[in-house]
Amino acid sequence: ELKVEQNPLFLSMQEGKNYTIYCNYSTTSDRLYWYRQDPGKSLESLFVLLSNGAVKQEGRLMASLDTKARLSTLHITAAVHDLSATYFCAVDGVGYGGSQGNLIFGKGTKLSVKP
Amino acid sequence: KAGVTQTPRYLIKTRGQQVTLSCSPISGHRSVSWYQQTPGQGLQFLFEYFSETQRNKGNFPGRFSGRQFSNSRSEMNVSTLELGDSALYLCASSFLGPGRNEKLFFGSGTQLSVL
Repeated sequence: ELKVEQNPLFLSMQEGKNYTIYCNYSTTSDRLYWYRQDPGKSLESLFVLLSNGAVKQEGRLMASLDTKARLSTLHITAAVHDLSATYFCAVDGVGYGGSQGNLIFGKGTKLSVKP
Repeated sequence: KAGVTQTPRYLIKTRGQQVTLSCSPISGHRSVSWYQQTPGQGLQFLFEYFSETQRNKGNFPGRFSGRQFSNSRSEMNVSTLELGDSALYLCASSFLGPGRNEKLFFGSGTQLSVL
């Protein structure tokens, strides 16, 4: 069974602090996606990681991919309140109930940044 | 450029009824995929359409169906509604389709409540 596990599922942090969200997956996919969802809103694409060692950064967020370890991280630097949201990682469900076109999402990490 | 539009935003139905949800993708996007989001199961893939053809399907019962029109607009239908069908239904569009190294652009979703 294909699993995508995120941890932690809940994260409360203070502004200005750094933290990392982890995404472990069981498929051999070399592509991984990060999305953000604000309460009551839709999902917004953050990063598309396409190969081993890929690193992408935007603002205070940096995502990386280690396909050998089947691990992606989303690092938050000097958190601010505006980053409060739920963050999802997703991988291709290739070979699991379908071909390309089936994204398998983690349960999400609910991040709350407090002053 | 207009985003992905889903209608209606909210729906309340009773058990046994059927419902049709609509999704208009971003102009030029040919792939439309549907996801169900619930607090318990998270985000689960329903199906994907590309150029009016269902290209991939998730593990949902036959009560869940969909279609895509020549203008790429898509509808999904749920017949004989059950309480467990209460969820946020998200539609996402892209040019090539999920899992093809592209971002997905999600709509705001339709919140379905089954009473």
